[in-house]
Amino acid sequence: AQSVTQPDIHITVSEGASLELRCNYSYGATPYLFWYVQSPGQGLQLLLKYFSGDTLVQGIKGFEAEFKRSQSSFNLRKPSVHWSDAAEYFCAVDPRRDDKIIFGKGTRLHILP
Amino acid sequence: KAGVTQTPRYLIKTRGQQVTLSCSPISGHRSVSWYQQTPGQGLQFLFEYFSETQRNKGNFPGRFSGRQFSNSRSEMNVSTLELGDSALYLCASSSTGTDTQYFGPGTRLTVL
Repeated sequence: AQSVTQPDIHITVSEGASLELRCNYSYGATPYLFWYVQSPGQGLQLLLKYFSGDTLVQGIKGFEAEFKRSQSSFNLRKPSVHWSDAAEYFCAVDPRRDDKIIFGKGTRLHILP
Repeated sequence: KAGVTQTPRYLIKTRGQQVTLSCSPISGHRSVSWYQQTPGQGLQFLFEYFSETQRNKGNFPGRFSGRQFSNSRSEMNVSTLELGDSALYLCASSSTGTDTQYFGPGTRLTVL
């Protein structure tokens, strides 16, 4: 079955440390891929997206993500986190077949001072 | 450009009542999608409208319905509310429905 997996429900990192959030998908062809961030009580904000081309994608707020076709992964990274990065992060997949976009369950990021 | 707006931001209803939520997409966007977000189930797709036609539907009971107007504004209706309908309802708009979605702030519905 088609799915999007974010294996980490919670991640805690210290301020200034590097971050990697994992996302794996299960689809027949390469879908469109997205990362969104949600602050408490707010809607989702697009961080970055991958449609095609360069597999390393730069986003807002210093985030980047790398698409690895062989691993069906689209992991989100940031070299140095800030306390304001504490939020929930969602990976999303659009199968590109007029089908609905599927979201992962989310990873909640906690930042230690 | 103004972003996606949703009204109202907060609602409190009782079981058995019905509710209507409104979403105004970004100007020029013709696709509007609705999602339900709960702590247990995460983000679940409700339906998508494109040019006043429902193009996609998630796995929700018939109590959940929607429509889209000629100006692309969309409404979502939930009839005979149940406690489990308490959730954050998010609306997202995009140009074509197959490109980037932009989300509104959501409507927090509480059913007592």
